[in-house]
Amino acid sequence: GEDVEQSLFLSVREGDSSVINCTYTDSSSTYLYWYKQEPGAGLQLLTYIFSNMDMKQDQRLTVLLNKKDKHLSLRIADTQTGDSAIYFCAESNAGNNRKLIWGLGTSLAVNP
Amino acid sequence: GAVVSQHPSWVICKSGTSVKIECRSLDFQATTMFWYRQFPKQSLMLMATSNEGSKATYEQGVEKDKFLINHASLTLSTLTVTSAHPEDSSFYICSASTRRSNQPQHFGDGTRLSIL
Repeated sequence: GEDVEQSLFLSVREGDSSVINCTYTDSSSTYLYWYKQEPGAGLQLLTYIFSNMDMKQDQRLTVLLNKKDKHLSLRIADTQTGDSAIYFCAESNAGNNRKLIWGLGTSLAVNP
Repeated sequence: GAVVSQHPSWVICKSGTSVKIECRSLDFQATTMFWYRQFPKQSLMLMATSNEGSKATYEQGVEKDKFLINHASLTLSTLTVTSAHPEDSSFYICSASTRRSNQPQHFGDGTRLSIL
């Protein structure tokens, strides 16, 4: 079945860039998403990218998609302590009733 | 942006109680709503998908008689945990999306359910 994998932890210094990586197996993937979850809270949609795009930028966030390698990354520029959270990568395709296939989440720790 | 409201945010109740959780889309029509369960330090586990006006589709291993889902309107879905027991304690999150295939799921803030 479809699978999404992410590294579990990332630690960066405040002001540096963070890059969170994700790989997926579904070659029919249509949309790829990044969600942020702070402790005890729900999920906040950060950004998403359609599979025919290579890159999407939104303020401090840059998403890169390498469809050939099935690799997705999220770059956070000028990382702040408020960016500390768990970041989930997810994918969906038009054929699976729009279910999201989730990664396990990357816990980002931002050190002052 | 799209807003999904989930209530209550925290419930503590005795074993055997039934608990209802509401999920509302505040500024869009949610033709599809999803209910997830999340264990500590784990990813989300999809429990069921509900389309407005029809029966929910449950994932394998999820008891439909235990977790009753109702999606009677385009802005409201409810999850009722019937006769809850301590093993049902968890973080439950709903999400909602529109019929348009390019629209992402928007999530509520979750409900932490603790059964004593």
